[in-house]
Amino acid sequence: DAGVTQSPTHLIKTRGQQVTLRCSPKSGHDTVSWYQQALGQGPQFIFQYYEEEERQRGNFPDRFSGHQFPNYSSELNVNALLLGDSALYLCASSWGTVATNEKLFFGSGTQLSVL
Amino acid sequence: GNSVTQMEGPVTLSEEAFLTINCTYTATGYPSLFWYVQYPGEGLQLLLKATKADDKGSNKGFEATYRKETTSFHLEKGSVQVSDSAVYFCALSDPSTNAGKSTFGDGTTLTVKP
Repeated sequence: DAGVTQSPTHLIKTRGQQVTLRCSPKSGHDTVSWYQQALGQGPQFIFQYYEEEERQRGNFPDRFSGHQFPNYSSELNVNALLLGDSALYLCASSWGTVATNEKLFFGSGTQLSVL
Repeated sequence: GNSVTQMEGPVTLSEEAFLTINCTYTATGYPSLFWYVQYPGEGLQLLLKATKADDKGSNKGFEATYRKETTSFHLEKGSVQVSDSAVYFCALSDPSTNAGKSTFGDGTTLTVKP
């Protein structure tokens, strides 16, 4: 049973570019949450998708957007990249919209570097 | 808003030493509390949890007790091993909203030397 898979594992972009990160949830999970983890800090909640809709959003600008597909996989898009967007982006999957944390499974993340 | 404050690291211990990593929180309502562990190159893994006051979460020799009066959830282990070397994150979620939206501390790096 595959866990949460994220791609790519590493990515290098330049300021102003756009990036798309991908996540496949754990089998049986239908909810995907995205987090940004800057170096030396804890993960910060970006947003969550359930039933192909954004259900909750953290304190991130509109440059951060997402999508969920009918197979529950998800994409995170970031436009007009800034140097400060350099971070590890984590995807977490769970079941349902009122999941408890014991059902949160994290992927290994995508390391984004903006030059 | 919700927040989590963890003891600053890094923490370096000898094998078989006693471990305490402090965690305090600020939250409205009655949050659930968690400890996650992140090994190098891997994603976060849930280590233990407690969902109400005075609950004790435990796993792999680690323990933490939900203390509402002191708004704390300190992580302890009686005898650490080299394999416990990792980054530990304290986190909370408010079940009345959505636990997928969690608030994390900044993490504490633990290094255990043989």
